[in-house]
Amino acid sequence: DQQVKQNSPSLSVQEGRISILNCDYTNSMFDYFLWYKKYPAEGPTFLISISSIKDKNEDGRFTVFLNKSAKHLSLHIVPSQPGDSAVYFCAASAHAGKSTFGDGTTLTVKP
Amino acid sequence: EAGVAQSPRYKIIEKRQSVAFWCNPISGHATLYWYQQILGQGPKLLIQFQNNGVVDDSQLPKDRFSAERLKGVDSTLKIQPAKLEDSAVYLCASSLVGLAGSVTQYFGPGTRLLVL
Repeated sequence: DQQVKQNSPSLSVQEGRISILNCDYTNSMFDYFLWYKKYPAEGPTFLISISSIKDKNEDGRFTVFLNKSAKHLSLHIVPSQPGDSAVYFCAASAHAGKSTFGDGTTLTVKP
Repeated sequence: EAGVAQSPRYKIIEKRQSVAFWCNPISGHATLYWYQQILGQGPKLLIQFQNNGVVDDSQLPKDRFSAERLKGVDSTLKIQPAKLEDSAVYLCASSLVGLAGSVTQYFGPGTRLLVL
């Protein structure tokens, strides 16, 4: 049973437009959510996070939205840049425990 | 600040051989994780250490995988004997527990293992 799901394996957007990456979860005990970005041949790097007590967190061009009732979160990148092309992983944890990762979405930003 | 170091970066072995991976976490990070990432999937936790104690090894195939963190700093992960399905990237990560129970993990570059 996959507790964190990223249903879109890939996403392609034009430079300057908005990228929206989605993530769904099933475990209502999750209270902390993170997005990681991964380039080829590198390990994932932390991008942005959100606690379950919030519904939005913003950091520059990156905003994460959390809808607890729908068990859904999304990552918005505005404006998208070619350097944002990477695999994005959604992760969730409960009570500072282990993180459970989704299978990732490959974002391609076309110049 | 130095990041998480892993070696080797690549390893090719034949099935039934043994292999070992090494990880040195960020200085001061008490928590260390080993993940297995199969192509097209997200990282799957194999084992989590808090200092030199095991916190979670529920998904570690203990008949062939072992890991240790003897002095609470660096760690080794071993596979013996390897199977074809062990071909994956093995990621090491370390973390501190931050505010509100937040846990941000810092990953190493990974070791890409190919079992033939």
